[in-house]
Amino acid sequence: QKEVEQNSGPLSVPEGAIASLNCTYSDRGSQSFFWYRQYSGKSPELIMFIYSNGDKEDGRFTAQLNKASQYVSLLIRDSQPSDSATYLCAVPRGGGADGLTFGKGTHLIIQP
Amino acid sequence: DAGITQSPRHKVTETGTPVTLRCHQTENHRYMYWYRQDPGHGLRLIHYSYGVKDTDKGEVSDGYSVSRSKTEDFLLTLESATSSQTSVYFCAISEWGERPQETQYFGPGTRLLVL
Repeated sequence: QKEVEQNSGPLSVPEGAIASLNCTYSDRGSQSFFWYRQYSGKSPELIMFIYSNGDKEDGRFTAQLNKASQYVSLLIRDSQPSDSATYLCAVPRGGGADGLTFGKGTHLIIQP
Repeated sequence: DAGITQSPRHKVTETGTPVTLRCHQTENHRYMYWYRQDPGHGLRLIHYSYGVKDTDKGEVSDGYSVSRSKTEDFLLTLESATSSQTSVYFCAISEWGERPQETQYFGPGTRLLVL
């Protein structure tokens, strides 16, 4: 069974700084990687997906994928208090649309 | 936001009673999923559907059954609820398209308490 590991945190970052969230995965065959944000009491919302080695940028968010080392990172630039949430990393369970395997999430706190 | 609704949003029930949760989507997506989320375990897949009347088990399917008679509705049934099924249940949908088909969009969730 595929595994996804994240540091549960909390990770505390000052406002305006870069928040760096990391995720490692067990299956070298994983092709797609997803980052979700979840506010307390709310449902997960998709932030980004990445499936090529290197960086992918979307606004203040950058996803970094290193397949050789089996890790994927999410960088949040110019962190805002509204970024305070739990961030979930996920990989596909199999080769098709048979669901995702999620990490347990990293709780991020942006300190004003 | 993806057009996904879940009902009920909150439910309190007693051990041994049957419970059915409903997920309704207006996106005409082919794939639908049920997850549960518990402290210390994260999100775990219960069952999923890849079309009308086509379903399969996820990693924590014991004690749950599902049905999908229409594209837009995916039902999760707890035949005889137990306290270990107290959780937050999320429905999700996905579809082939410009994003990877594994890209999932989540409903608002149902909080279930089994006493």
